[in-house]
Amino acid sequence: GAVVSQHPSWVICKSGTSVKIECRSLDFQATTMFWYRQFPKQSLMLMATSNEGSKATYEQGVEKDKFLINHASLTLSTLTVTSAHPEDSSFYICSALPPQGARETQYFGPGTRLLVL
Amino acid sequence: GNSVTQMEGPVTLSEEAFLTINCTYTATGYPSLFWYVQYPGEGLQLLLKATKADDKGSNKGFEATYRKETTSFHLEKGSVQVSDSAVYFCALSEQAAGNKLTFGGGTRVLVKP
Repeated sequence: GAVVSQHPSWVICKSGTSVKIECRSLDFQATTMFWYRQFPKQSLMLMATSNEGSKATYEQGVEKDKFLINHASLTLSTLTVTSAHPEDSSFYICSALPPQGARETQYFGPGTRLLVL
Repeated sequence: GNSVTQMEGPVTLSEEAFLTINCTYTATGYPSLFWYVQYPGEGLQLLLKATKADDKGSNKGFEATYRKETTSFHLEKGSVQVSDSAVYFCALSEQAAGNKLTFGGGTRVLVKP
């Protein structure tokens, strides 16, 4: 099946620094990618929808200046956590939607664990 | 708004045991329901789905029936294998909500030989 990769798989950073997470669809072109956040023992929460060549659509309550999303190509979307703080520590998951695919068929990456000290 | 509640894990079973993971939902309309599975080190994968009441989704020996009267979509497998050890997520999507996926918290299942 289709593969979506994320890099890095885990990252530790100091408070106040910025962290970039990459999401790549390895064998298909994805015009739409999604970014989720998961807290321990909680469900995945959709943060934003990333569309290639246009601005991302953020969910209510998600700070777009805090979580910068760039979808510059059909196989790559990046999430940058700017000026990270300990409360940003979480598990970040991306997914990619194949062309003309229904939303439930999105392919998920393995996730990136972020720890902000 | 929409929400999904599933039993907390971990659920520990012996091989060939019967598995049930409960899932109930709250939705304003008529959602589609899904089960996703996440194997260690991998991304979530769609396991099965049901799009209307009384539909039964099935895949890899797993089954779940869309029960509108009880707003439930419990996942079952008659005889689990060690390879079924994973985290299972119940989810729904609703056209009125832009078909966004709403997930439950996930249930970790560990099958011992």
